[in-house]
Amino acid sequence: DAGITQSPRHKVTETGTPVTLRCHQTENHRYMYWYRQDPGHGLRLIHYSYGVKDTDKGEVSDGYSVSRSKTEDFLLTLESATSSQTSVYFCATRLAETDTQYFGPGTRLTVL
Amino acid sequence: AQKVTQAQTEISVVEKEDVTLDCVYETRDTTYYLFWYKQPPSGELVFLIRRNSFDEQNEISGRYSWNFQKSTSSFNFTITASQVVDSAVYFCALLMTYNDMRFGAGTRLTVKP
Repeated sequence: DAGITQSPRHKVTETGTPVTLRCHQTENHRYMYWYRQDPGHGLRLIHYSYGVKDTDKGEVSDGYSVSRSKTEDFLLTLESATSSQTSVYFCATRLAETDTQYFGPGTRLTVL
Repeated sequence: AQKVTQAQTEISVVEKEDVTLDCVYETRDTTYYLFWYKQPPSGELVFLIRRNSFDEQNEISGRYSWNFQKSTSSFNFTITASQVVDSAVYFCALLMTYNDMRFGAGTRLTVKP
């Protein structure tokens, strides 16, 4: 358990508005990830970070950007939310020395 | 292509029955890791087990056991004497590089009293 919190836990927004989701961890894990969970798809990687200011794209990165200015925080931004981005978003972290990812509680985002 | 297939979308059993959740994976890598996660109705994802591609030894943890067979590219999960608290969605996942993990679509297990 990596002491991961996500905020907000629930959000409803309108198409075209910007949205930022926050992931905060207390364990000083180097690697952080953002996934989205959709029925029939399991979880799919959006972006990940391998250190402060170091990020890279995942499988479904279009429409999303990320930032990591501190080890403990990883932000996911939807610049202009669309209905197809309605999903549950999970943050995960990993110690550099292991390959196991531990997940936060998730954020349910609804884009109307 | 790397992917994970969990062909069973939903399984329903009665308490105390044994149940096996299937996971078949595809990868060209010789080094990889396989995982199982549990997602109970509360929504969080709970890590259950990790297995690397060089370790085909089966594992047992209480009522849970895992059967890894490279010859059939399968990593199946068995719950013995199922309980209502085992009701959840279970995900199998394949990690090829440290930052590229692919999940199956999940199997929803319902254990009825």
